Amino acid sequence: KQEVTQIPAALSVPEGENLVLNCSFTDSAIYNLQWFRQDPGKGLTSLLLIQSSQREQTSGRLNASLDKSSGRSTLYIAASQPGDSATYLCAVNTGANSKLTFGKGITLSVRP
Amino acid sequence: DAGITQSPRHKVTETGTPVTLRCHQTENHRYMYWYRQDPGHGLRLIHYSYGVKDTDKGEVSDGYSVSRSKTEDFLLTLESATSSQTSVYFCAISELQGAYEQYFGPGTRLTVT
Repeated sequence: KQEVTQIPAALSVPEGENLVLNCSFTDSAIYNLQWFRQDPGKGLTSLLLIQSSQREQTSGRLNASLDKSSGRSTLYIAASQPGDSATYLCAVNTGANSKLTFGKGITLSVRP
Repeated sequence: DAGITQSPRHKVTETGTPVTLRCHQTENHRYMYWYRQDPGHGLRLIHYSYGVKDTDKGEVSDGYSVSRSKTEDFLLTLESATSSQTSVYFCAISELQGAYEQYFGPGTRLTVT
């Protein structure tokens, strides 16, 4: 059974810092991996999707990498801003009807 | 944003009553999913659909049933609500081809008293 882990559960950083959020998964036979953002009381917004054949994806100040063999993904946020404060979730798609297995998320607080 | 709506957005109900949540999409995507989100557990898959009238169970399906009579609508029913089903419920959609990216609806907050 696929398990997805995100550590730490919470992170607080000063504005302007570059930061890395980690995600690990137990079964490397994945189809893709998605990073989501969730603001309090809101739904999930897809940030980046990395296919199993890709090593990384970039969108603005965000860069996600994938190392399938080691079961790890990282989300890099450059020059963090208070508006980046949210919970970040990673989810792994094993390809079986595209079902996602989620980590519990990392709650990020960026201090002005 | 993907065209996904959920109704109702908030609901309070009593233990033992039936409850139906609706997910509606305008993207014509084949796959639809119901998840629940709880503190300490994260998001867990309840049921999913891979086409009209084609559904299957997810990780936490006990106490829930689903139906999909049209491509655009996916209903989640709690036959007899219990307090353990108090949660936030999210619907998601995905297409069969391409990146298989999932898009989520705004969620329904259900409280069972």
